[in-house]
Amino acid sequence: EDKVVQSPLSLVVHEGDTVTLNCSYEVTNFRSLLWYKQEKKAPTFLFMLTSSGIEKKSGRLSSILDKKELFSILNITATQTGDSAVYLCAVVPRNNYGQNFVFGPGTRLSALP
Amino acid sequence: GAGVSQSPSNKVTEKGKDVELRCDPISGHTALYWYRQRLGQGLEFLIYFQGNSAPDKSGLPSDRFSAERTGESVSTLTIQRTQQEDSAVYLCASSLTSGFTGELFFGEGSRLTVL
Repeated sequence: EDKVVQSPLSLVVHEGDTVTLNCSYEVTNFRSLLWYKQEKKAPTFLFMLTSSGIEKKSGRLSSILDKKELFSILNITATQTGDSAVYLCAVVPRNNYGQNFVFGPGTRLSALP
Repeated sequence: GAGVSQSPSNKVTEKGKDVELRCDPISGHTALYWYRQRLGQGLEFLIYFQGNSAPDKSGLPSDRFSAERTGESVSTLTIQRTQQEDSAVYLCASSLTSGFTGELFFGEGSRLTVL
């Protein structure tokens, strides 16, 4: 069964800290890995990763994938209070439909002033 | 509208009642998804619509759950004879096509509480 594990499940940091969120997965026939940010209810897309070792970067956020060890990390540098959210990791199996995203439980980040 | 719209935003119902949740996808988006998110948990896939193709219902947890979509427009998720374990946020998402970009656009969700 396809599975996504995230750690830590929750994290409290102070503004200016650097944080690393972890996502490990088991999936039959991997297609891609996604990161989403969920602040209130609607998750918003951050990154899609398909190839190992290529860092995706957007401002203070970056992410990288290791397909051999089956994990990804999401880094946030110089954390701000606005980064407080649940960060969801999802994998997409390569199947006939490609629509079945398998989500992890999320990491709840609280960035304190 | 500019984004995915869901209604109602909150619904409290009694065990055994039927509920209908509505999703209005972004105009032009052919793919539509329903997910369930229980408190503190990740998103659980329920059902997927792509244009006029037969929907993928593989995630529906029981035959009390059903969903419809007319063409590429509004979708309705129906839960019959609700149970307390159905309490969750039901999220709808849409994307341009099933051609995969990774970017799903989510609605704000419908929070269902079954008493």
